[in-house]
Amino acid sequence: ETGVTQSPTHLIKTRGQQVTLRCSSQSGHNTVSWYQQALGQGPQFIFQYYREEENGRGNFPPRFSGLQFPNYSSELNVNALELDDSALYLCASSFGVNEQFFGPGTRLTVL
Amino acid sequence: RKEVEQDPGPFNVPEGATVAFNCTYSNSASQSFFWYRQDCRKEPKLLMSVYSSGNEDGRFTAQLNRASQYISLLIRDSKLSDSATYLCVVRGSGGTSYGKLTFGQGTILTVHP
Repeated sequence: ETGVTQSPTHLIKTRGQQVTLRCSSQSGHNTVSWYQQALGQGPQFIFQYYREEENGRGNFPPRFSGLQFPNYSSELNVNALELDDSALYLCASSFGVNEQFFGPGTRLTVL
Repeated sequence: RKEVEQDPGPFNVPEGATVAFNCTYSNSASQSFFWYRQDCRKEPKLLMSVYSSGNEDGRFTAQLNRASQYISLLIRDSKLSDSATYLCVVRGSGGTSYGKLTFGQGTILTVHP
């Protein structure tokens, strides 16, 4: 496997709640990218972190925020959850702009 | 217009068939191109990069036409194990978008006996 891990595997929340998803990058990688994949769609870029700084952001509102830690692991936080936030959240780690390796994802359901 | 467009299929083919997937992208400044494969309820995995000169990896051939902003994937002698969703992917053109991967909707392939 890729060595990228994500937790939790599945999560159920209700509208208006907040959620934190976690990603551990592959050893030697310094960049983490987050993607949202709705059912039947391709993944959509949320943002990328490089050396603990946000390094690019897709078309997602500010209630989607993130962090990268000194060990290059990362968190994705989503506030004020909406029904449309239900999706598979994927993180991918890489060394800079080299190949991105995806974790297994966190499946979020918002009721 | 979507940045990366693919025919979602589904494509349903018998074992041994040849199948082709097409993809177009809108940003002419895009730098890198890929095909990813995604099995049901799994993460995407890189199948192959796509180069202007065309490239082949066993039964898989990828082509890029920068002038037409068109990418293709050809699978020859399809196997049951090729059943998956194939995602056309483009990487950003520069600056902070350089690391960003833009995915198409994905094309579903089912290979049957």
